[in-house]
Formats: sequence, C-alpha cells, structure tokens
Amino acid sequence: EDQVTQSPEALRLQEGESSSLNCSYTVSGLRGLFWYRQDPGKGPEFLFTLYSAGEEKEKERLKATLTKKESFLHITAPKPEDSATYLCAVRGANNLFFGTGTRLTVIP
Amino acid sequence: NAGVTQTPKFQVLKTGQSMTLQCAQDMNHEYMSWYRQDPGMGLRLIHYSVGAGITDQGEVPNGYNVSRSTTEDFPLRLLSAAPSQTSVYFCASSYSPRGGYEQYFGPGTRLTVT
Repeated sequence: EDQVTQSPEALRLQEGESSSLNCSYTVSGLRGLFWYRQDPGKGPEFLFTLYSAGEEKEKERLKATLTKKESFLHITAPKPEDSATYLCAVRGANNLFFGTGTRLTVIP
Repeated sequence: NAGVTQTPKFQVLKTGQSMTLQCAQDMNHEYMSWYRQDPGMGLRLIHYSVGAGITDQGEVPNGYNVSRSTTEDFPLRLLSAAPSQTSVYFCASSYSPRGGYEQYFGPGTRLTVT
C-alpha cells in the first residue's frame, strides 16, 4: 500500500537555526516525489520534484534530497518568512499520495 | 496566466443542499483533480480527469460528481451536502497524469455544512 509519513508534525526554529524535515514513503514504482509549501488559507505551492535516489535540488535556503525510502527537506539559516506547512507527496503507479505535513515556525 | 482559479472562496450550506464548486485553469493542462483537506489528514483525492470527457474516481468519491466538457473547466458537484463534507477543497492541474509532472493548486474553497 502506498504511504507517506512526515515528521515532525511541528517544528519551531530560531531564525538562523538550520534543521531538516523528513518524508518517509512506501510506493510501488516511484515516479516522482514532490515537496510543496502551504501558507495558511492558501493552496499548496510547488517547490521541488525528485525522481531517483541520490538526486538533490536547491532553491534559496531549501535543499531537497532523496533516498530509496525517504526524502529530506533541509532548511539552512531559516527566516521568519519560511514559516509555513511543508507537504510531501509521492506518485507511484496510481495517483498522488500526500503526507500530513510539517508545520514550521521560524521565530525572529 | 491566472493559473488555477476556484470559486467561491467560502460557502455555507445546509444539510441536503446541493452546489457546484467551480475550477478553471488557463495552462492547457490535460490533468485536473479535486482534493479535500481535513485537519490531521493529508490531501485526499476525490475525482480526477485525464482530459476532456474523461473522469475517474479517486480515494474519497462518495457524495461528489464531476464532469469535464472542456480542457479548462472541471466543476465539482455536491449532490446532497452532509456535515462530513465540511472541508477545504482544492482543485489542481498538471501537464500530464503520467510520470513526475508537478501539480498546480488553486486557492481553495472553504465549505461548511450545517
């Protein structure tokens, strides 16, 4: 059964304090792993797609990595504007499955 | 480009009422889908469409109908609203349902059923 688990559920960081968010998955025939950012009251906003183990992608203070069982979203020196819920999703042979997200709060 | 648009933004219904949530995209995407988002649960797929005239059920289709007469529009109909359908609904589109194409989401419709 395709499944996505994100941890932690919530994370509070001081501005500048780097950390990582985890997305563990089981899927038959991974066709893509996606990271989204969701601000309160808005739709998810696409960040990255990863296709195969060992792949990495970066955007500003965010870096996503992928292994055969999990993905990490590394946040380097975060700023208050990085506060949001970060969603992970995987596409296997069937449809897209989403995790429940990690709610990140960055304190000035 | 406006991207994916949804109307209304908020809606309150009484149990048993019906309504249609509108979704449109201007990116010429083949694939469109509807999700609902509830506290503590991931986005769950309701219905999806791989092109005009073609729709299929997702994970939680009961109580909802869809149709796709044009590439641009993908309305979601609630047949007889129930309190369990209180949720935030998101429409999304992507270039193709196959492979690793990312989806683009609309701003959402917050629905309350009393």
